[in-house]
Amino acid sequence: KQEVTQIPAALSVPEGENLVLNCSFTDSAIYNLQWFRQDPGKGLTSLLLIQSSQREQTSGRLNASLDKSSGRSTLYIAASQPGDSATYLCAYKWGDYKLSFGAGTTVTVRA
Amino acid sequence: DGGITQSPKYLFRKEGQNVTLSCEQNLNHDAMYWYRQDPGQGLRLIYYSQIVNDFQKGDIAEGYSVSREKKESFPLTVTSAQKNPTAFYLCASSIDRAQPQHFGDGTRLSIL
Repeated sequence: KQEVTQIPAALSVPEGENLVLNCSFTDSAIYNLQWFRQDPGKGLTSLLLIQSSQREQTSGRLNASLDKSSGRSTLYIAASQPGDSATYLCAYKWGDYKLSFGAGTTVTVRA
Repeated sequence: DGGITQSPKYLFRKEGQNVTLSCEQNLNHDAMYWYRQDPGQGLRLIYYSQIVNDFQKGDIAEGYSVSREKKESFPLTVTSAQKNPTAFYLCASSIDRAQPQHFGDGTRLSIL
């Protein structure tokens, strides 16, 4: 069974602090891993996608790393802002090109 | 603007009633997907379709049905056999099954 764990489930930080979100998965035979953002009552917006051959991806203040051997990915958000408040989900693609999702980490950035 | 439109945003179901959730995309994508999201859980795949007139069951297909008569449309019917339908339903599409998925804004289904 493909399982994805995201810890912590919720996180509250003051504005300006760097955020570190963790994702662990049980399957090493992944095609890629993706980080999404979800605002309350909305769909998912893709933030970063890391192919299995890559170690990291960067976009602006966001950086995501991938370590297949240990089954871990980390999303770093530098200098957090109140607008970063949302739920962040990770998902990896495996096997028959299916996606397995974590339950997410809900982030609150306090002004 | 290209995108995925889900309607309605909120839907209520009575006991014994079937309801249909709409998903339309104008991205010219071949593959479409339906997910269910419950609090504290990851998204779970209900059904997916790789091409028109073809679809496969996902991990939790019982109590649901779909059709794919047109490339741009992939409606999901929640039947009375689904005993716990209250959830947030998300539709997604991708160019093909190997490409990243794009998501709609979801439909929240509740029981009256």
